[in-house]
Amino acid sequence: EAQLVESGGGLTQPGGSLRLSCAASGFFFDTYAMTWVRQAPGKGLELVAMISGSGDGTYYVESVKGRFTISRDNSMNTLNLEMDSLRVDDTAIYYCAKSVRQAIVVAHYFDQWGQGTLVTVSA
Amino acid sequence: SYALTQPPSVSVAPGQTAKISCGGDNIGRKNVHWYQQRPGQAPVLVMFYDSDRPSGIPARFFGSNSGNTATLTISRVEAGDEADYFCQVWDNSGDHVVFGGGTKVTVL
Repeated sequence: EAQLVESGGGLTQPGGSLRLSCAASGFFFDTYAMTWVRQAPGKGLELVAMISGSGDGTYYVESVKGRFTISRDNSMNTLNLEMDSLRVDDTAIYYCAKSVRQAIVVAHYFDQWGQGTLVTVSA
Repeated sequence: SYALTQPPSVSVAPGQTAKISCGGDNIGRKNVHWYQQRPGQAPVLVMFYDSDRPSGIPARFFGSNSGNTATLTISRVEAGDEADYFCQVWDNSGDHVVFGGGTKVTVL
């Protein structure tokens, strides 16, 4: 059974940095695109970044472009999100989610989700 | 960019039927997927490609999509169905994922 376990969340000040990781198991990791989806307190879901199965394609929501970097290590079945220049409005639970597709520019939905890791940006 | 509209809340008595709508321009031409998020938990896929149920999702969950509205119907509602439900599509014009704002289903 597929399993996704996030880590790396925490409290940081505005302008700070954090690195999130997601350990995947139970499926052929390099076959699927992976995403980070965040949920601000009491709010809905927002896809933040996506990376193709091979790692050669990425997508970022406009609000994080130039600040966040998504990457993956297919030899270690790990997904990462490097977050720099963090803002108060980046505060959210960040979920790692598995797409059913491999490439980026195709229709996606997400059949497995991790339990999430909380990122709090506050002075 | 493409937008999805969901009612903020739906209330239903146990044993009755809950209908959760997801509105969008010609959404009937898109594939709609639905996620259930119980309080304090991660989202779970409950419907994909409008009306396909993942394994483990009870047949009480039914999906439909036509015109400008997609609908997730939950029949014989149980207390455990109390959750937020989010619809999701792929926006071909922008090549990105779009989520609806979510609907909180309350079981009275």
